[in-house]
Amino acid sequence: QSVLTQPPSASGTPGQRVTISCSGSSSNIGSNTVNWYQQLPGTAPKLLIYTNNQRPSGVPDRFSGSKSGTSASLAISGLQSEDEADYYCAAWDDSLNDYVFGTGTKVTVL
Amino acid sequence: QVQLVQSGAEVKKPGASVKVSCKASGYTFTTYYMHWVRQAPGQGLEWMGIINPSGSTTYAQKFQGRVTMTRDTSTNTVYMDLSSLTSEDTAVYYCARDPTSSSGRTYFDYWGQGTLVTVSS
Repeated sequence: QSVLTQPPSASGTPGQRVTISCSGSSSNIGSNTVNWYQQLPGTAPKLLIYTNNQRPSGVPDRFSGSKSGTSASLAISGLQSEDEADYYCAAWDDSLNDYVFGTGTKVTVL
Repeated sequence: QVQLVQSGAEVKKPGASVKVSCKASGYTFTTYYMHWVRQAPGQGLEWMGIINPSGSTTYAQKFQGRVTMTRDTSTNTVYMDLSSLTSEDTAVYYCARDPTSSSGRTYFDYWGQGTLVTVSS
């Protein structure tokens, strides 16, 4: 059972902005950095955002991350068809001594 | 370029063990942490544990007593051994590299392609 809560789905038309929330607690998001992973169908996850708001080389600047208190969010601006994927937030949890993932959000481009 | 290449799919019977390998290349193997993550069919991601550059391990509470992670520095390979398999262990297992040295800042910058483990009688 995931300790980080995400909406199960999000959608938008091409060019729109989509935001995905990730709700945690003081033992995970509240005290550690948040990362986001993108998983295209049938493939391994890919690092999208690390340390709350940093983009790895090669990730378009349409993707941005933020964190406030015990919550975080991922924004996709200028939504494109290739953005259809599952998105997971993640952070270390000091109480569980585990790395915890969010429940995952499926993004659909209408 | 960094590559993590995992071993092939496995089919196991309940009660058996499975050992999945992850061969690293393109970077200095002994300076990075490696994690294992699994994903059951149609489900989310689940962290299993970590092996650090010195070979020390930390396992998720859920898998303690059942999982063993090891590494072979002569072949740049890490292994994940899971015992007492049940149908609930049917999943794709991934290795993932961690470029940090702090649990609070952990993230995975490279992932293996995944290994499907099917547990069925």
